[in-house]
Amino acid sequence: DADVTQTPRNRITKTGKRIMLECSQTKGHDRMYWYRQDPGLGLRLIYYSFDVKDINKGEISDGYSVSRQAQAKFSLSLESAIPNQTALYFCATSGITGELFFGEGSRLTVL
Amino acid sequence: QKEVEQDPGPLSVPEGAIVSLNCTYSNSAFQYFMWYRQYSRKGPELLMYTYSSGNKEDGRFTAQVDKSSKYISLFIRDSQPSDSATYLCAPLVTPGDKIIFGKGTRLHILP
Repeated sequence: DADVTQTPRNRITKTGKRIMLECSQTKGHDRMYWYRQDPGLGLRLIYYSFDVKDINKGEISDGYSVSRQAQAKFSLSLESAIPNQTALYFCATSGITGELFFGEGSRLTVL
Repeated sequence: QKEVEQDPGPLSVPEGAIVSLNCTYSNSAFQYFMWYRQYSRKGPELLMYTYSSGNKEDGRFTAQVDKSSKYISLFIRDSQPSDSATYLCAPLVTPGDKIIFGKGTRLHILP
């Protein structure tokens, strides 16, 4: 099994719908991250959490919210999806070395 | 000015050539420097991790940091088609820092 699991892997939805992307990890790490990847723009940090009670905004948090349900679970929500949120979303974890371990990605298309 | 600048490419080179990938950064507090490699439709994976100025070699890969110029490089010797991927640089102040990436450079090694 993968160390970092994202669900769903692919999702097509319509403008205005609420979407949740889920992430779970078996690395035992405290730190978890959500990134968005767009062609030509690289990976941009949306939110990050250094422990269950700590949530921080990243570079592009507008239109997104997160929930850290447990050490191993970190979910990303789009309350009202819009087409420019169409992207590939990655969850990642890190431990004391700072190395990031990524999931396989969730491809979201908003029509 | 964005904290981390990286030419997105694409960069196409013939098999066997030496490849040079580069990033510049603006925050003089960065002390740790990572390079991640991302294959198509996969999450990024750590390739090289260095501390402070100098060179670090790992097989065909060499990471070089010049803190005085705020310039980091990744060299690939004897490039192979399997090196075709996107390479992302990520500098940090401390290993516990949130990680902001450069845009990534797409590299194509031509057989």
